[in-house]
Amino acid sequence: AQKVTQAQTEISVVEKEDVTLDCVYETRDTTYYLFWYKQPPSGELVFLIRRNSFDEQNEISGRYSWNFQKSTSSFNFTITASQVVDSAVYFCALRRGSGNTPLVFGKGTRLSVIA
Amino acid sequence: GAGVSQTPSNKVTEKGKYVELRCDPISGHTALYWYRQSLGQGPEFLIYFQGTGAADDSGLPNDRFFAVRPEGSVSTLKIQRTERGDSAVYLCASSLIPAGANVLTFGAGSRLTVL
Repeated sequence: AQKVTQAQTEISVVEKEDVTLDCVYETRDTTYYLFWYKQPPSGELVFLIRRNSFDEQNEISGRYSWNFQKSTSSFNFTITASQVVDSAVYFCALRRGSGNTPLVFGKGTRLSVIA
Repeated sequence: GAGVSQTPSNKVTEKGKYVELRCDPISGHTALYWYRQSLGQGPEFLIYFQGTGAADDSGLPNDRFFAVRPEGSVSTLKIQRTERGDSAVYLCASSLIPAGANVLTFGAGSRLTVL
């Protein structure tokens, strides 16, 4: 079975602070994909990043960065110099690499950035 | 269309009534997914279609829930004899193909409230 755990239910930071959102996953597959989605107050899930299980290279995109560590089954997301517009619920998700299987989501972390 | 379109955006109904929720995926996307998101939770998989057929309906909670995609494009999620516990946001997503690497693009959701 596959499972995604986002232990932080809510995080509140002051604007310009850095913040890391944790994601721990469980799977028996050797090939799998990890995703992060953002859900702003409007409700629509917005894709942020996809990472496959064979690529542990960290990725940076502007103020966003992702740290994938297979040894600890973690795929953490860091926002540098947070802004009020970053306020949203962030979901980590996992999908098997083979077969037609659904995306499995964590429960999400609600991030509030205060001006 | 340019994105995934869901109608209605909001639906209020009484316990015991029948409800239909519609999803219009991105043109050309063969895979279509339905998820349900309860308050404070991550999206939970209900069913997915590859073309016209339901490839995996393992997430449907009971036989009151049914979905169709007769022409391989628009899909309708049907809920019979609604219960208060059915209140949630129903999210639809589509992807080019159902393979693990493919990114799901989500609609804004249909918020169902059962009184």
